[in-house]
Amino acid sequence: AQTVTQSQPEMSVQEAETVTLSCTYDTSENNYYLFWYKQPPSRQMILVIRQEAYKQQNATENRFSVNFQKAAKSFSLKISDSQLGDTAMYFCAFMKDEGYNNNDMRFGAGTRLTVKP
Amino acid sequence: AAGVIQSPRHLIKEKRETATLKCYPIPRHDTVYWYQQGPGQDPQFLISFYEKMQSDKGSIPDRFSAQQFSDYHSELNMSSLELGDSALYFCASSLSTRGPAGTDTQYFGPGTRLTVL
Repeated sequence: AQTVTQSQPEMSVQEAETVTLSCTYDTSENNYYLFWYKQPPSRQMILVIRQEAYKQQNATENRFSVNFQKAAKSFSLKISDSQLGDTAMYFCAFMKDEGYNNNDMRFGAGTRLTVKP
Repeated sequence: AAGVIQSPRHLIKEKRETATLKCYPIPRHDTVYWYQQGPGQDPQFLISFYEKMQSDKGSIPDRFSAQQFSDYHSELNMSSLELGDSALYFCASSLSTRGPAGTDTQYFGPGTRLTVL
């Protein structure tokens, strides 16, 4: 079974600074996807970024980037130039890529990020 | 862009009653997933459908059932409700990688908040 671990229950950062959220996972699969979702106080689940395991290049979406270390099974999220609107719970998620099946995602416990003015 | 629609957004039921949650996926998405998120918890996968057939099953109680209809919308039916069923229920949709344009990335709806009294 796949497990996702987020070891930082809460973090805070000053506006305009950079913060890194940690995520590790355990799997015997070779093909999979990794995601970061953001859940603001509205409770909406918003996709932040996606990484395919077969890609060596780290995914980037504007101020959000990841550091994907496949051998170490690590998938951290870096938020640059933090904004007040980034305040949210951030979930790291894992999904197998079996091609022929549609798979559920396994989520970590989440990291609550607070951006301070 | 069109998003996943869920109805109702809020639902209050008594113990032992039944509830039906509805999900309308993003147009042209062929896969629907249901997740349950308890207070302070990460989302837990319940069940998924691909092209109107059940695709994967997670921790869905036997009291719950779901289906996907010909127009791709899905309904989660919950019977004999218990206090512990109080949670936020998310529907997500994706375009399967079984097709050429698919990515399997799951996009979430706003959720239905179910309160069982």
